[in-house]
Amino acid sequence: DTEVTQTPKHLVMGMTNKKSLKCEQHMGHRAMYWYKQKAKKPPELMFVYSYEKLSINESVPSRFSPECPNSSLLNLHLHALQPEDSALYLCASSQDASSGSKFFGPGTRLTVL
Amino acid sequence: GIQVEQSPPDLILQEGANSTLRCNFSDSVNNLQWFHQNPWGQLINLFYIPSGTKQNGRLSATTVATERYSLLYISSSQTTDSGVYFCAVGNSNSGYALNFGKGTSLLVTP
Repeated sequence: DTEVTQTPKHLVMGMTNKKSLKCEQHMGHRAMYWYKQKAKKPPELMFVYSYEKLSINESVPSRFSPECPNSSLLNLHLHALQPEDSALYLCASSQDASSGSKFFGPGTRLTVL
Repeated sequence: GIQVEQSPPDLILQEGANSTLRCNFSDSVNNLQWFHQNPWGQLINLFYIPSGTKQNGRLSATTVATERYSLLYISSSQTTDSGVYFCAVGNSNSGYALNFGKGTSLLVTP
């Protein structure tokens, strides 16, 4: 099953809300990723988990908090977001971080009011 | 990080035409993928091709790693080929995570 699933498909939240995005893969992959994509722009990397350890955390605001409960699941906790955080959030996985195809989920389209 | 340039940025084709999309990158890579993003946002894997040539139906791709470019060929284009085509690359310096080009927006008209 070469599939990455993401829930929810759409999410509307206020700036004071706390919500979570969920991602799951059943391909036995050991690396998982969160990407953010604004309209008419390419995806930008937010976080990488390799063997359940956060290995890259670039200049992403602390209002985004990743969590990797196990090798198949990846969550992104959202708190006190801003309207400019509205975007398509894409999850991806790969066999490991250093090689092989990255497979993307369908994304969660987030709107912050 | 690795710079990725794609050309052309926009392309309009009539159904049945052929096209070539180009991806230039600024450093050696051990990961290069071509994706098609459909209107719903899904990124569909087309090729994993850090080097060499691959073909899948009407699509084929070639990466010349020593010259730091990759080409995606679309033959006999169909309206369903419309969308944005992304080239993405990675190496050890990027933590092997993918850096995306800005994409080529393709519209195939009937």
